[in-house]
Amino acid sequence: GEDVEQSLFLSVREGDSSVINCTYTDSSSTYLYWYKQEPGAGLQLLTYIFSNMDMKQDQRLTVLLNKKDKHLSLRIADTQTGDSAIYFCAETAVDKLIFGTGTRLQVFP
Amino acid sequence: DGGITQSPKYLFRKEGQNVTLSCEQNLNHDAMYWYRQDPGQGLRLIYYSQIVNDFQKGDIAEGYSVSREKKESFPLTVTSAQKNPTAFYLCASSIEGGQPQHFGDGTRLSIL
Repeated sequence: GEDVEQSLFLSVREGDSSVINCTYTDSSSTYLYWYKQEPGAGLQLLTYIFSNMDMKQDQRLTVLLNKKDKHLSLRIADTQTGDSAIYFCAETAVDKLIFGTGTRLQVFP
Repeated sequence: DGGITQSPKYLFRKEGQNVTLSCEQNLNHDAMYWYRQDPGQGLRLIYYSQIVNDFQKGDIAEGYSVSREKKESFPLTVTSAQKNPTAFYLCASSIEGGQPQHFGDGTRLSIL
């Protein structure tokens, strides 16, 4: 069945790069998404990548897609304390999205 | 500004009561969704609707009910049959199914 997996925690030092990884199962997904959730709030769409692309860059964010391995990653350059949040990846599944369990990113000084 | 509004932000329920969570959007989106989020867990889909007067069960629909009488509104009722309703509830909408979803700020439901 459909399943999206992420590691639960990531801790980085301020100014370093963060890499959050995700594996998905549905090879027919047309888009893959990254969302950010701050404490007590809803999810905010960060970026997305079309399935025929390998990479997408948007300011400090870089998304890499390896379709063969069904692996998606989000790289945040120059990570700041304001980047501390939970990050969800999601794949499309016909009429809905399937979300991963989320990765909690903690940034320390 | 266009967006999704969930109300109330905090809600308390007594044992045996039904409660209704509101979700309104002015984005002119056809599809709307309800998710439940428990501490340390991801999002679980409760119900979704792709068009007015139609909705489908998600992965954890038992103990919940919805209606979609208007395009802008998708209220969720947590019934007394839901034995563990304490959670954070998120509503989302998208232009159509499978497209990027836009989320409200959530309602936190607690049992008194």
